[in-house]
Amino acid sequence: DQQVKQNSPSLSVQEGRISILNCDYTNSMFDYFLWYKKYPAEGPTFLISISSIKDKNEDGRFTVFLNKSAKHLSLHIVPSQPGDSAVYFCAAMFGNEKLTFGTGTRLTIIP
Amino acid sequence: DTGVSQNPRHKITKRGQNVTFRCDPISEHNRLYWYRQTLGQGPEFLTYFQNEAQLEKSRLLSDRFSAERPKGSFSTLEIQRTEQGDSAMYLCASSQTGSHQPQHFGDGTRLSIL
Repeated sequence: DQQVKQNSPSLSVQEGRISILNCDYTNSMFDYFLWYKKYPAEGPTFLISISSIKDKNEDGRFTVFLNKSAKHLSLHIVPSQPGDSAVYFCAAMFGNEKLTFGTGTRLTIIP
Repeated sequence: DTGVSQNPRHKITKRGQNVTFRCDPISEHNRLYWYRQTLGQGPEFLTYFQNEAQLEKSRLLSDRFSAERPKGSFSTLEIQRTEQGDSAMYLCASSQTGSHQPQHFGDGTRLSIL
């Protein structure tokens, strides 16, 4: 039972363009959503989060959008840089407890 | 500012042996979590602690697995009688108490069962 889904295993984007990573969830009890970035041989690094009472949160080049009615969130990276090449995980939480992760999207930025 | 520290980084052992991993969380974080990640998957929750109290255990955590956080600081995860299927990356994370706190992860311990 995959409660958090990232349907695109990989994505390639030209340097300088916008990268859009998508995530869908099924559990309407989730009230906090996070994006993590992971390089090989390292643990996930927290990027940005959004509470279910908001529909947008922005931090520098990163913006997360939440559409509660569609149970969908997306991460926008603009402009994309070569250092953004990594695996990105979407995660969701209810209360302040365990995280439920998606399977990840490998982002490759083409110079 | 030190992050979450995990030791060892890599553990290779024979099937049937016991292994123990250690996690040192960020010092002011009361909550500590263990996750397991296999190839092509996202991390899966195993268990978590609020200070020294273990508050939840996943059904993934069979009776061969045990986790402790005796003084509310570092934590250990022990796997007894290891099996091939235990091969994975074991990740530790910590967070502050309070609502909507992001969890910060260590670099994990990769377990390989021969």
